[in-house]
Amino acid sequence: EAQVTQNPRYLITVTGKKLTVTCSQNMNHEYMSWYRQDPGLGLRQIYYSMNVEVTDKGDVPEGYKVSRKEKRNFPLILESPSPNQTSLYFCASSLGSAVNTEAFFGQGTRLTVV
Amino acid sequence: AQSVTQLDSHVSVSEGTPVLLRCNYSSSYSPSLFWYVQHPNKGLQLLLKYTSAATLVKGINGFEAEFKKSETSFHLTKPSAHMSDAAEYFCVVSDPSYNTDKLIFGTGTRLQVFP
Repeated sequence: EAQVTQNPRYLITVTGKKLTVTCSQNMNHEYMSWYRQDPGLGLRQIYYSMNVEVTDKGDVPEGYKVSRKEKRNFPLILESPSPNQTSLYFCASSLGSAVNTEAFFGQGTRLTVV
Repeated sequence: AQSVTQLDSHVSVSEGTPVLLRCNYSSSYSPSLFWYVQHPNKGLQLLLKYTSAATLVKGINGFEAEFKKSETSFHLTKPSAHMSDAAEYFCVVSDPSYNTDKLIFGTGTRLQVFP
């Protein structure tokens, strides 16, 4: 089954403790993105990647890192999480740019930083 | 700069009645426009998209949207609501001329469907 898989689905952590949210897609898609969803703000793009080893900042990249060493994986790294990073995170992938092709989303990771 | 405004944060309808979710956009170029749906505890799913072909776009599950350039609108409609339509809906705009993967999401409209 074609899908985007995020792990974990739920995570509670403490301020400053490094964490990684994994994202994997099995559709051989070139493009992958990370978004955060906050009440009243919709989804905002954190980072995106157009191919292996090619990443770029989205609208809200501060406090986050990403890497794209393999086509299928696009982990999101929070080196020193803070409470303002408490949010619902979505990974997405698409065959081409999501502007022109359908983006497929993971089920989301709900992160709470205390 | 591109932006999208969803005019209603919540819409409630009775099962079997029409659905209208309103969206206005702002774009300096000919935009691509999308509607995505998010069911509880699920990821987002593409309902339909407009990319400068026909102005009336048909999507999945009986939804459709009409692109009206003069009104800068892209409202989502469905003739008859079903209980399974209860979800959050996002209007999305992007500029296909940019070499980027950027989608601009609206703040969402939560649709409730009553029996």
